[in-house]
Amino acid sequence: AQSVTQLGSHVSVSEGALVLLRCNYSSSVPPYLFWYVQYPNQGLQLLLKYTSAATLVKGINGFEAEFKKSETSFHLTKPSAHMSDAAEYFCAVRGRYGQNFVFGPGTRLSVLP
Amino acid sequence: KAGVTQTPRYLIKTRGQQVTLSCSPISGHRSVSWYQQTPGQGLQFLFEYFSETQRNKGNFPGRFSGRQFSNSRSEMNVSTLELGDSALYLCASSYTWAPDTQYFGPGTRLTVL
Repeated sequence: AQSVTQLGSHVSVSEGALVLLRCNYSSSVPPYLFWYVQYPNQGLQLLLKYTSAATLVKGINGFEAEFKKSETSFHLTKPSAHMSDAAEYFCAVRGRYGQNFVFGPGTRLSVLP
Repeated sequence: KAGVTQTPRYLIKTRGQQVTLSCSPISGHRSVSWYQQTPGQGLQFLFEYFSETQRNKGNFPGRFSGRQFSNSRSEMNVSTLELGDSALYLCASSYTWAPDTQYFGPGTRLTVL
């Protein structure tokens, strides 16, 4: 069975600092991987996805993530945090054979002025 | 192109009642998935429909059911509501059932009193 863990339920960074949100997955076969962002009282918005092309994936709003098979990780980074980045971030995995999406517990990002 | 729409946005019910939530996918999308989001359990997969057929089902009791119509619109029904059913119910659509990007609606906030 697939699973996703996100280290740190809450991460705080200063505006302009590096953002690093961690995601590790468990799957027998390298899956498809996703990062979503959720703003208060809204649905989820796709930031980026890995589907077995380049291991470094660039997404919207300056975010990127790197797939590392040896570490079963898909950490999300952004070089310089902005106040508008404050939100909840979810890592998700989906198998390559039509299995349903499995979401991590989420990491709430706070950006301090 | 219009996004995923969910109605109603907010709903208050009492224990024992039943409720029906509606989801209209993005035009051309044939797959609709439903999720329950709660602070304690996070995002949990309910079921996925593609071309009016349920393709995947999560680990929820039979009180939770869904269906999809020929125009890809979907409804989910919860019978005999319990306090623990209070949650944000999210609908997501995608073009196909195969691993693909999901686009989320804003959700329906259900409160059970």
